[in-house]
Amino acid sequence: GDSVTQMEGPVTLSEEAFLTINCTYTATGYPSLFWYVQYPGEGLQLLLKATKADDKGSNKGFEATYRKETTSFHLEKGSVQVSDSAVYFCALKLGGSNYKLTFGKGTLLTVNP
Amino acid sequence: DTAVSQTPKYLVTQMGNDKSIKCEQNLGHDTMYWYKQDSKKFLKIMFSYNNKELIINETVPNRFSPKSPDKAHLNLHINSLELGDSAVYFCASSQIGTSQETQYFGPGTRLLVL
Repeated sequence: GDSVTQMEGPVTLSEEAFLTINCTYTATGYPSLFWYVQYPGEGLQLLLKATKADDKGSNKGFEATYRKETTSFHLEKGSVQVSDSAVYFCALKLGGSNYKLTFGKGTLLTVNP
Repeated sequence: DTAVSQTPKYLVTQMGNDKSIKCEQNLGHDTMYWYKQDSKKFLKIMFSYNNKELIINETVPNRFSPKSPDKAHLNLHINSLELGDSAVYFCASSQIGTSQETQYFGPGTRLLVL
């Protein structure tokens, strides 16, 4: 079945460090890929998305590129801030009439000043 | 204005009780969802409704019954609550068929069964 695997956390970084959170997927067909962020005590917010191979999603300094050849959608940020501390979820959604999002297990990021 | 709202935000109850969680969206979307997030933060879809019709029903115990009185509301009723039902429940909505199809999530309902 369809699945998303993302690196297990927790990830702890110092402010201004470079961030990578790995995400790979298994899917039948050609999914859309998403990164959602969950700040403490809140619901999920869409961070960025990509709908086809080689698309790059970007938002708030975060980037991820849809790599079909490696079935990956790694999240990167060049310089993290304390306010980026949150849980990050990679997710996929198949096209057509398949409505559901399949999530990875989430990666807790803590950024220290 | 809140796009997707849920009530209550916190729910503490005894085993065996019946409880409901309400969800409303003001985005004009035609599809709504319920997700369960366990203590390890793992998120899994439970149900989805499109135009008040059930379209996704994952392997969820039949103690859980969703109800959609209209496109803007999707409520979740849980009978005979068990300890293992303790989790955070998220409602979400989206507009299927658009180029976005982004799901917008509510703030969550934190359920604790004692």
